Amino acid sequence: EPEVTQTPSHQVTQMGQEVILRCVPISNHLYFYWYRQILGQKVEFLVSFYNNEISEKSEIFDDQFSVERPDGSNFTLKIRSTKLEDSAMYFCASAQFGSGMETQYFGPGTRLLVL
Amino acid sequence: KQEVTQIPAALSVPEGENLVLNCSFTDSAIYNLQWFRQDPGKGLTSLLLIQSSQREQTSGRLNASLDKSSGRSTLYIAASQPGDSATYLCAVPGNTGFQKLVFGTGTRLLVSP
Repeated sequence: EPEVTQTPSHQVTQMGQEVILRCVPISNHLYFYWYRQILGQKVEFLVSFYNNEISEKSEIFDDQFSVERPDGSNFTLKIRSTKLEDSAMYFCASAQFGSGMETQYFGPGTRLLVL
Repeated sequence: KQEVTQIPAALSVPEGENLVLNCSFTDSAIYNLQWFRQDPGKGLTSLLLIQSSQREQTSGRLNASLDKSSGRSTLYIAASQPGDSATYLCAVPGNTGFQKLVFGTGTRLLVSP
């Protein structure tokens, strides 16, 4: 069964460093999302992406964050200068297009630790 | 602003019991509602998606109901098993199905043998 994959599974970085989190959505999906979950808290929306542009972003998604779909398969989240409070599990999700196909499928996550 | 709440926050039951998890949302203008399972330190597994026009959706031992007008959904798990132990999350998008999901706080379920 097709699934969303994410790399790396864990990443440790120093505050102020740039990180890139990678995702491979399900191949025929057209909607892509990033969410994050700080330990012990709710899953929070960061950004959605459709037709090669951001369709919606949250207050969390400030100028330090960017997303890109560099080729036909990858979807990346870049954090330019990490802060301690960026430590969280980051989830990528994708969805197909069309009525009745709105289910968002999530990847296993990347656990980011900023020291 | 949509708010999603789940009760109870935690539930511990012996194997074999039928149980109900509750989800409530403040804005009833939703397109659908999705239930997820999350194992500790893991990703989210989609269990059921129930459209706003539906009242129920079933998958195996799981049954989700939706009462959009009252802003409530329930997830019914029949004949619970230790393997059902996980956190269960409900989530709603806005008034189009591809919008961001707003997640509930989750119910942490423990089923003991």
